[in-house]
Amino acid sequence: GQNIDQPTEMTATEGAIVQINCTYQTSGFNGLFWYQQHAGEAPTFLSYNVLDGLEEKGRFSSFLSRSKGYSYLLLKELQMKDSASYLCAVRDSNYQLIWGAGTKLIIKP
Amino acid sequence: GAVVSQHPSWVICKSGTSVKIECRSLDFQATTMFWYRQFPKQSLMLMATSNEGSKATYEQGVEKDKFLINHASLTLSTLTVTSAHPEDSSFYICSAEAGGPSGANVLTFGAGSRLTVL
Repeated sequence: GQNIDQPTEMTATEGAIVQINCTYQTSGFNGLFWYQQHAGEAPTFLSYNVLDGLEEKGRFSSFLSRSKGYSYLLLKELQMKDSASYLCAVRDSNYQLIWGAGTKLIIKP
Repeated sequence: GAVVSQHPSWVICKSGTSVKIECRSLDFQATTMFWYRQFPKQSLMLMATSNEGSKATYEQGVEKDKFLINHASLTLSTLTVTSAHPEDSSFYICSAEAGGPSGANVLTFGAGSRLTVL
């Protein structure tokens, strides 16, 4: 079956750096997405990776290794407002989006 | 960027009644829209794919007669929860794909509708 694994919860300190990992086993690969979801709100798009390597966008970066079925989202200079759930999703060979369960990130002062 | 509007944001209804949720793509056309459901502390679950001008495609385990989907135009899809029961209480989120970086079709979500059935 298809599967996406992320840690359930992580805690980090304001101003620090945190890396959220995502591993996937899917039938085919047509891109990986990271979304941020604040409690009680809908997800918002953060990043997209389809080729191996690092995509940087301000304080957020996302890395992909297709051969390892692995991605991470790197958040720098953490702010309290970064407290949210982070969802990893992979588009499979049928262009269906497979969602991870999300990682709840708690930022402490 | 692409915007998807969804309403109502909150709805409380009595058991046995029906509730309609609207989803609109505001600045782009969406031949396909997606309806998700999310229970507290759980991940997104795709309920159905809404196709403009044709029948929706439902995921396994989702009752098509209970969750009626209509996609009458390129900018509007509606989800009607018929004869709602307390177990239908959930966060319903619609989404549509729009162009994104590197040629990706990025899923843009509406703000979601929180349904509480008493």
